[in-house]
Amino acid sequence: DAGITQSPRHKVTETGTPVTLRCHQTENHRYMYWYRQDPGHGLRLIHYSYGVKDTDKGEVSDGYSVSRSKTEDFLLTLESATSSQTSVYFCAISGDRGIAGGETQYFGPGTRLLVL
Amino acid sequence: SQQGEEDPQALSIQEGENATMNCSYKTSINNLQWYRQNSGRGLVHLILIRSNEREKHSGRLRVTLDTSKKSSSLLITASRAADTASYFCATDATGTYKYIFGTGTRLKVLA
Repeated sequence: DAGITQSPRHKVTETGTPVTLRCHQTENHRYMYWYRQDPGHGLRLIHYSYGVKDTDKGEVSDGYSVSRSKTEDFLLTLESATSSQTSVYFCAISGDRGIAGGETQYFGPGTRLLVL
Repeated sequence: SQQGEEDPQALSIQEGENATMNCSYKTSINNLQWYRQNSGRGLVHLILIRSNEREKHSGRLRVTLDTSKKSSSLLITASRAADTASYFCATDATGTYKYIFGTGTRLKVLA
């Protein structure tokens, strides 16, 4: 398995509180992604990063921010959690497009977030 | 929505039968990938097919790609109970670093 971990694995929080999820990789991959998975919607991209301090929005970025201050860590922050952000969050990594297998995404184990 | 669509949403077959699932997408792509997800786990990469390829094989998996129809199919031959999972396609849109996932097909293989 690719060296990718997520923390925490489970979290229960209350509406209006800030929440930060962490994704950590040991593969030195350039690209990192945050997805949320909800029944009936599959995986939807929240934000992604194509290098240290380089990030861009995905299709469901409202209410979320990200930061990547070093290659191995990609943080997802919910500034003020809402019940609609209850979901399973997955981090993924991938390498450079120009190398064999660079496009393959490797996924973390997921974080289950419940916002009450 | 930029999401792809997969059909069927759910599929139930007997062990030993073949399973076919389809994916449609909306934009020009660099490549299309298929992933499997076991219940409650992260996704695992199965196979990648590039936009200039029409068919690819890997073990019991066969993937086809029709860029004119913006569609792909995944065939799992001689299915096993261990193939029970959800299967997702993902497209890497031309000129972006983003992957767009389909909504998935839930496959159940009955022993």
